[in-house]
Amino acid sequence: GQQVMQIPQYQHVQEGEDFTTYCNSSTTLSNIQWYKQRPGGHPVFLIQLVKSGEVKKQKRLTFQFGEAKKNSSLHITATQTTDVGTYFCAGRGTDKLIFGTGTRLQVFP
Amino acid sequence: DSGVTQTPKHLITATGQRVTLRCSPRSGDLSVYWYQQSLDQGLQFLIQYYNGEERAKGNILERFSAQQFPDLHSELNLSSLELGDSALYFCASSVSHDGTDTQYFGPGTRLTVL
Repeated sequence: GQQVMQIPQYQHVQEGEDFTTYCNSSTTLSNIQWYKQRPGGHPVFLIQLVKSGEVKKQKRLTFQFGEAKKNSSLHITATQTTDVGTYFCAGRGTDKLIFGTGTRLQVFP
Repeated sequence: DSGVTQTPKHLITATGQRVTLRCSPRSGDLSVYWYQQSLDQGLQFLIQYYNGEERAKGNILERFSAQQFPDLHSELNLSSLELGDSALYFCASSVSHDGTDTQYFGPGTRLTVL
């Protein structure tokens, strides 16, 4: 079946450093979504990418969708302590959204 | 606040028991999704309902069942509970049936099986 993997599983950074998480699907995706889950909270939608090669920015966050629509990345520039949480990608294959394994980000002040 | 409500917030029960988790979607949303999140794990998709009908199925055990009622609220029934069923159960809702739009998550129900 369709699988969506994310790397790394964990990332610890010093405040101010950059952070990137990568998402890879075993199949071509029609779209990809990114969610953030704060510790003790629920996933919250960040963004959706639909087009091959699409790049979207939200302040310090940059999202990319691969040309083959099988991978995606989220890059955070100059991390802040408020960026702490788990970041999930979610790819839509044929009939449902499959969530990635998530990357837990810890930011040390 | 996502507009999705889930009750109860916490549930503690014993092995072999049966529980029901409840979810009310955002106003106007026709799809309800159920997810299981175990400690330090990702989100495992269980099942989706759209306007009362089962739309997609994930890794849902036979001991688990769900339904969506005419008022669009949904219930997830977990029976013959095992220790390994202890997890956070999220419900999410969206407008569409095909997973192309944003899913709004509820605060979750934390189930502890002793």
